[in-house]
Amino acid sequence: AQSVTQLGSHVSVSEGALVLLRCNYSSSVPPYLFWYVQYPNQGLQLLLKYTTGATLVKGINGFEAEFKKSETSFHLTKPSAHMSDAAEYFCAVSSTLNNNDMRFGAGTRLTVKP
Amino acid sequence: DAGVIQSPRHEVTEMGQEVTLRCKPISGHDYLFWYRQTMMRGLELLIYFNNNVPIDDSGMPEDRFSAKMPNASFSTLKIQPSEPRDSAVYFCASSPTGLAGIEQYFGPGTRLTVT
Repeated sequence: AQSVTQLGSHVSVSEGALVLLRCNYSSSVPPYLFWYVQYPNQGLQLLLKYTTGATLVKGINGFEAEFKKSETSFHLTKPSAHMSDAAEYFCAVSSTLNNNDMRFGAGTRLTVKP
Repeated sequence: DAGVIQSPRHEVTEMGQEVTLRCKPISGHDYLFWYRQTMMRGLELLIYFNNNVPIDDSGMPEDRFSAKMPNASFSTLKIQPSEPRDSAVYFCASSPTGLAGIEQYFGPGTRLTVT
């Protein structure tokens, strides 16, 4: 079974600063990893995902994440935060068998200060 | 593409009443998922369907919860009778296949408040 741990339920950064949201996973099989973003009163939407190939994955809105197998991590970064990045971010893991066992982390709320 | 559609967006009801949440998946998607989101428990998978057939309902909290998918374009999640602890945001999601690596597409959610 898979699981995800997101370190830090709340992260606050200044506009223009680096964004780093941490995600560690546990999986008995090679994982597929996802980051979703949830804006207020909206559903989750996909930011990026890792399946195979390059371990550095680029997503929408300037976000990227790197799959590090040795560290069982998939941290999300953005070089320069924008006010519009304020949202809740969810890391998710699914097995390489199907997407029906997708498991989500508890979420990290990102606040961007002017 | 209209995306996943959920209704109502907000529902306030009294304890003991029946609540029905509705979902229209993206056309052509074979998989439909129902999730519940709370502060305490995060995002939990309740049940999912494949080609309108319930595959795994192990996440349904108790018999008060039931879900149906009478056709490829409509699903309901019913709570009868509702209780205050059912208050949460309920999401419906769909995906085109169950293949690994395929993301799920989420609706905007229904915020349920049971008083």
